[in-house]
Amino acid sequence: DIQMTQSPSSLSASVGDRVTITCQASQGISNYLNWYQQKPGKAPKLLIYDASNLETGVPSRFSGSGSGTDFTFTISSLQPEDIARYYCQQYDNLPPTFGGGTTVEIK
Amino acid sequence: QVQLQESGPGLVKPSETLSLTCTVSGYSIGSGYYWGWIRQPPGKGLEWIGSIYHSGTTYYNPSLKSQVSISLDTSKNQFSLKLSSVTAADTAVYYCAKSQTLFGVAIIGAFDVWGQGTMVNVSS
Repeated sequence: DIQMTQSPSSLSASVGDRVTITCQASQGISNYLNWYQQKPGKAPKLLIYDASNLETGVPSRFSGSGSGTDFTFTISSLQPEDIARYYCQQYDNLPPTFGGGTTVEIK
Repeated sequence: QVQLQESGPGLVKPSETLSLTCTVSGYSIGSGYYWGWIRQPPGKGLEWIGSIYHSGTTYYNPSLKSQVSISLDTSKNQFSLKLSSVTAADTAVYYCAKSQTLFGVAIIGAFDVWGQGTMVNVSS
């Protein structure tokens, strides 16, 4: 299985701050990577697909980049409603696998 | 707009079979896409269980393959999960989900619409 390593596991930032999360795959996955947002008690919500494409309806402050094994997810200006846990997920190989998640909190 | 809703018992005894159903609205499941199950133990991460193509072909996580069965019921627009010989380790929120498409091709391991999830406890 492809292992997805996310860092940090949690972070605290102020409203308006730029927030960056990284995800590393144990082998190359081209750009077959999703980023999800999960709020407490809710299902994951797809934000970014194909590593850098914004899902319809998702605010433009969210972005993604990377290819191969190293990927980055960025919130350009953190908003209070962005408090959640974020997961990366590869879909290059079966089984699809998820990163361990990053909890984003407001400082 | 495609919507998914999980249903099934919230409590299952150890060694028994967990059975869940996902009811889909807004799309006929026999027409396309992969339909998948993902679970999340309390306080932990996400694990793909398996997916079924609209034709009925199934794909399972090798770590669960001996326990898992996924099926389609196009007449009811539902797909189902059965997980046999459960233990406490199978306690989790279970989600059903629809596959994404990229350039018109359904992607088996990527999901763009999820159900709200249903909590299943395995306990005697």
